[in-house]
Amino acid sequence: DGGITQSPKYLFRKEGQNVTLSCEQNLNHDAMYWYRQDPGQGLRLIYYSQIVNDFQKGDIAEGYSVSREKKESFPLTVTSAQKNPTAFYLCASSLGLGGPDIQYFGAGTRLSVL
Amino acid sequence: GESVGLHLPTLSVQEGDNSIINCAYSNSASDYFIWYKQESGKGPQFIIDIRSNMDKRQGQRVTVLLNKTVKHLSLQIAATQPGDSAVYFCAEFRGGSYIPTFGRGTSLIVHP
Repeated sequence: DGGITQSPKYLFRKEGQNVTLSCEQNLNHDAMYWYRQDPGQGLRLIYYSQIVNDFQKGDIAEGYSVSREKKESFPLTVTSAQKNPTAFYLCASSLGLGGPDIQYFGAGTRLSVL
Repeated sequence: GESVGLHLPTLSVQEGDNSIINCAYSNSASDYFIWYKQESGKGPQFIIDIRSNMDKRQGQRVTVLLNKTVKHLSLQIAATQPGDSAVYFCAEFRGGSYIPTFGRGTSLIVHP
């Protein structure tokens, strides 16, 4: 069953703690993305990666970090520097043809602060 | 008009009606558009796309219309069903960029 898997579905962070959100895809896509979704707002881009071992900051990268060591995986770490982390986080992937393309999304991780 | 803050624009329809959801995009250089459906607590699902060299594209029960003159995109859903209840939002790609800009979305509520 092909797709994008995000885990966990729910995550709680204590103050000062770093937490990592997992994103795995078996679509053989080159490009992967992380978005943050707040109530009533559009998706905002955190980080994106077009190819293994390379990634770029999006519009709201401060307080977040990523890695892309494998084509299938693009984990997102929410660091203690992110002062307002409560949100719904969405991972997406696309073929990565270098032009506009359909992005396919995971089911999301809802992060809350304890 | 659009609401502000936490409240999305909302469209309420009766089951069986046709629904029209609108999206105004910002950049005249945008050349590719996608409509997504997002059910509560889930990730967005691709519905239909359209390139700027087209005015209309049809899918199963859905039609997307593109008016480049006024930078307006619409999604028409025929014979709306309760399962169509969700937030619908458009994404625009500017001039060949592979990074989209997403709209805030419209909440569609279908009453049985």
